[in-house]
Amino acid sequence: QVQLVQSGAEVKKPGASVKVSCKASGYTFTGHYTHWVRQAPGQGLEWMGWIGPKSDGTKYAQKFQGRVTMTRDTSISTAYMELSRLTSDDTAVYFCARSSGWPYQFDYWGQGTLVTVSS
Amino acid sequence: DIQLTQSPSFLSTSVGDRVTITCRASQGISNYLAWYQLKPGKAPKLLIYLASTLQGGVPSRFSGSGSGTEFTLTISSLQPEDFATYCCQHLNTNQYTFGQGTKLEIK
Repeated sequence: QVQLVQSGAEVKKPGASVKVSCKASGYTFTGHYTHWVRQAPGQGLEWMGWIGPKSDGTKYAQKFQGRVTMTRDTSISTAYMELSRLTSDDTAVYFCARSSGWPYQFDYWGQGTLVTVSS
Repeated sequence: DIQLTQSPSFLSTSVGDRVTITCRASQGISNYLAWYQLKPGKAPKLLIYLASTLQGGVPSRFSGSGSGTEFTLTISSLQPEDFATYCCQHLNTNQYTFGQGTKLEIK
């Protein structure tokens, strides 16, 4: 069955970077987009961007341009999201999600990774 | 950017009730809308996409409707496992946006 398993919780200091992983199984990793979404405490979901399945590249939400990098290692079916220059506003649960074909709804999600930014 | 506004933000309701949640878009988005169920500590679950298409495995008590700027998610008879937060999403690969969520609470 399709599974997206994310790395564990992180605690970071302001100004640091965090890298979250998302390991896919149960489907052809190179056939789907991987998205990253976050949810800050008491807030709604916020889309951060996607990385394409093959050579489609990346697309980042304008808010995170210059601060987020999404990569993938197809040999181990794993996607990564790195966010730099962290502030307390980045404290959130970060999710990866898969989209299939048009209209690219998010049909499977990871369990979430809590990132806490605190001095 | 297109904004999605959900109403109500909170709904106190009971098992067996019929529940309707509204999602309004700041401009027309045709039927490019999805609905998700969110529970704490769990992966979000896709319920409906293209405004009214039920995702495989989702119970038929869930239904969606609407197009343009106004959309609704209806749960025909609320079950105990349905107490959760529901969120709409604009399907746009250049800029996905989400509504702020509607939390269903037990009355």
